[in-house]
Amino acid sequence: KQEVTQIPAALSVPEGENLVLNCSFTDSAIYNLQWFRQDPGKGLTSLLLIQSSQREQTSGRLNASLDKSSGRSTLYIAASQPGDSATYLCAVTGAGNMLTFGGGTRLMVKP
Amino acid sequence: ETGVTQSPTHLIKTRGQQVTLRCSSQSGHNTVSWYQQALGQGPQFIFQYYREEENGRGNFPPRFSGLQFPNYSSELNVNALELDDSALYLCASSLTRGAGASEQFFGPGTRLTVL
Repeated sequence: KQEVTQIPAALSVPEGENLVLNCSFTDSAIYNLQWFRQDPGKGLTSLLLIQSSQREQTSGRLNASLDKSSGRSTLYIAASQPGDSATYLCAVTGAGNMLTFGGGTRLMVKP
Repeated sequence: ETGVTQSPTHLIKTRGQQVTLRCSSQSGHNTVSWYQQALGQGPQFIFQYYREEENGRGNFPPRFSGLQFPNYSSELNVNALELDDSALYLCASSLTRGAGASEQFFGPGTRLTVL
């Protein structure tokens, strides 16, 4: 059974810092890995999707890497801003096109 | 292109009642998945529908059931509601083209409170 873990569970940083969120998964038989952003009480916004054959994806100030063999992914956020404050979720797609999510990292960026 | 929509936004029910949640897929998508997200946790997979047939199910009891219609919209039904069913219910749509996985796009969710 696939298990996804995200560390840290919560993070508070001053504005302007670069930061790294970590995600690990137990079964490397995945099709892809996605990072999502979730604002309080809202749905999920997809940030980046990395196919299993890829090593990284970039979008603006965000960069996500994938090491499938070791079961790890990182989301790097450059020059953090207060508007980046949200919960970040990582999810892997396995058999049956089913997403397995981690518990999320709650990020607070202080002005 | 219309995104994934869900209704209602919020719902309050009492224990033992039944509830129906609705989801309209993104245009052109043929697969719908439902997820339950308890407060402070990541979403958990409930089930998936592809071309009106259930195509996978997570660890949820039979009182959680669903339907997918010819226009690929979907319903999630929950019978005999329990307090622990209080959660945000998320619907995601995708386009399945054979083997492999496709990106899933999420709706805004329905917040269900069971008293």
